Amino acid sequence: QKEVEQNSGPLSVPEGAIASLNCTYSDRGSQSFFWYRQYSGKSPELIMFIYSNGDKEDGRFTAQLNKASQYVSLLIRDSQPSDSATYLCAVWDGSARQLTFGSGTQLTVLP
Amino acid sequence: SQTIHQWPATLVQPVGSPLSLECTVEGTSNPNLYWYRQAAGRGLQLLFYSVGIGQISSEVPQNLSASRPQDRQFILSSKKLLLSDSGFYLCAWSAGTGGPDTQYFGPGTRLTVL
Repeated sequence: QKEVEQNSGPLSVPEGAIASLNCTYSDRGSQSFFWYRQYSGKSPELIMFIYSNGDKEDGRFTAQLNKASQYVSLLIRDSQPSDSATYLCAVWDGSARQLTFGSGTQLTVLP
Repeated sequence: SQTIHQWPATLVQPVGSPLSLECTVEGTSNPNLYWYRQAAGRGLQLLFYSVGIGQISSEVPQNLSASRPQDRQFILSSKKLLLSDSGFYLCAWSAGTGGPDTQYFGPGTRLTVL
């Protein structure tokens, strides 16, 4: 069973700070990684995906991938109270052809 | 653009009653379709996925079943609900390229079994 681990939190950061969300995965052969945001009572929505080692930036969001360490992270710059949500990391399982999700990290941005 | 619909939005059912949840996708052809369940405070559990009409793969043994009668329609059913079936049911679609597709989720159905 391939695993995706996230710190469940809650993680609290002040408004304007950088929030750092981390995810580790067990399958060394994994190639594709996704970050979703889920507001309370709502369905997950895609933030971004990353396939290559290094950083990928999209607005205030940066995904970082280190395949050697089997580690993917999401940085949120200039955090806003509207960023308060649960963030789900998902890893593509090529053999099963499906996404494996972590249990999510709950982020609270304090005004 | 693509849109995914689920209904009903909320449902309260007694134990032992039947269930039918429906999901439809607009604006795409031959998508991969998925049913997930999310228990309170937990991650997403994949229940079923489908790569085409009549093609259903089940991920976990349970008293649920799924069907895909049309290309963009995915139905989740049960003949007799259990208390443990309560949860947030999410339908998702992806483009079905065979590779690491991005999955897009519908609004979900919150099911409470009493």
